[in-house]
Amino acid sequence: AQSVSQHNHHVILSEAASLELGCNYSYGGTVNLFWYVQYPGQHLQLLLKYFSGDPLVKGIKGFEAEFIKSKFSFNLRKPSVQWSDTAEYFCAVNADSGYALNFGKGTSLLVTP
Amino acid sequence: KAGVTQTPRYLIKTRGQQVTLSCSPISGHRSVSWYQQTPGQGLQFLFEYFSETQRNKGNFPGRFSGRQFSNSRSEMNVSTLELGDSALYLCASSPGTGVETQYFGPGTRLLVL
Repeated sequence: AQSVSQHNHHVILSEAASLELGCNYSYGGTVNLFWYVQYPGQHLQLLLKYFSGDPLVKGIKGFEAEFIKSKFSFNLRKPSVQWSDTAEYFCAVNADSGYALNFGKGTSLLVTP
Repeated sequence: KAGVTQTPRYLIKTRGQQVTLSCSPISGHRSVSWYQQTPGQGLQFLFEYFSETQRNKGNFPGRFSGRQFSNSRSEMNVSTLELGDSALYLCASSPGTGVETQYFGPGTRLLVL
């Protein structure tokens, strides 16, 4: 079955630490990849997306992600997190140009001062 | 542009009742998708509408239905509510003409007692 896996369910980091959140998917065809973020009390917002081209994509607030096709992965990174990055992060895949987004279960990130 | 709006924001219903949720997409967007978010299952795709036609449907029972109006506004209906239907219901809109980013609304939180 098609699926999206986020391996880290809860992550706690200190401010200025580096962040990497894993995302793997199990689709064999063409994929479009997204990372969304849900800050406390706010709605889902797009962090970044990959449709084609350069596999290293940059998003808002200093986030970036790398698409590695051979590993079916789309990991999210940020070199130095801030307290304001505390949120839930969701990886999502849109497969074969369909209209549904398939989401991972999410990673809850807590950044401590 | 105004974002995606959803009404009502909160609802409390009892088992066996039915409920209708409403979503107004971003102006100019013709595609509306619905998702259910629960702590256990995460974000799951319900269905997607474009130009008043359902183009894609997720794996939910027939109690979950939707429709879209000519102005692209969409409604979602759940009949014969069950306790397990308690969730945050999210609506997302996109232009609908290809592979695109979906923009999410704040959601309707439904509690079934």
